[in-house]
Amino acid sequence: QVQLVQSGAEVKKSGASVKVSCKASGYTFTGYHIHWVRQAPGQGLEWMGWVSPNSGGRDYAQKFQGRVTMTRDTSISTSYMELNRLTSDDTAVYYCARAGGAAYHFDYWGQGTLVTVSS
Amino acid sequence: SYVLTQPPSVSVAPGKTARIPCGGDNIGRKSVHWYQQRPGQAPMLIIFYNSDRPSGIPERFSGSNSENTATLTINRVEAGDEADYYCLVWDRTGGQLFGGGTKLTVL
Repeated sequence: QVQLVQSGAEVKKSGASVKVSCKASGYTFTGYHIHWVRQAPGQGLEWMGWVSPNSGGRDYAQKFQGRVTMTRDTSISTSYMELNRLTSDDTAVYYCARAGGAAYHFDYWGQGTLVTVSS
Repeated sequence: SYVLTQPPSVSVAPGKTARIPCGGDNIGRKSVHWYQQRPGQAPMLIIFYNSDRPSGIPERFSGSNSENTATLTINRVEAGDEADYYCLVWDRTGGQLFGGGTKLTVL
């Protein structure tokens, strides 16, 4: 069965960086895009961008451009999302999700990774 | 930029029908997907391409999309349907966009 398993919770200081991983199993890793979505406490869902495990291509929401990097390692079927220059506004649960492409719906989600940014 | 509008909350009695709208300019020309999120859980896809249901999603859940409003309909609402619901579309300029979410309360 399709599974996306994310790395554990992180606590970071303001100004630091965080890197969250998302390991895929149960399907052909290079056949689907991985998108990243975050959710601040008590708030809605916010799309951050995607990476193509096949080509390495990526696209980011304008809000995060210059501050986020999404990568993948096909040898271990894992995608990564790194967010730099963290502030308290980045405190959120970060989800990875699988999609058939850049414009497709997300059919499977990771369990989420809580990132807490403290000053 | 494209904006999706959902009411913050909808309340319905058990056994009744809940309708959750998602408004957007000419949203009827776009494909709309719906997610259910229970507290402490990841979102789950319940409707894709306006009205298709993934396997395992009850037929009580249905979707429609026309003109400026897409609608998620839940028939014969159960206590277990209490959750947050989000619509999602892809926009050529903005990428993937979520509505603000609607909290469904079962009275």
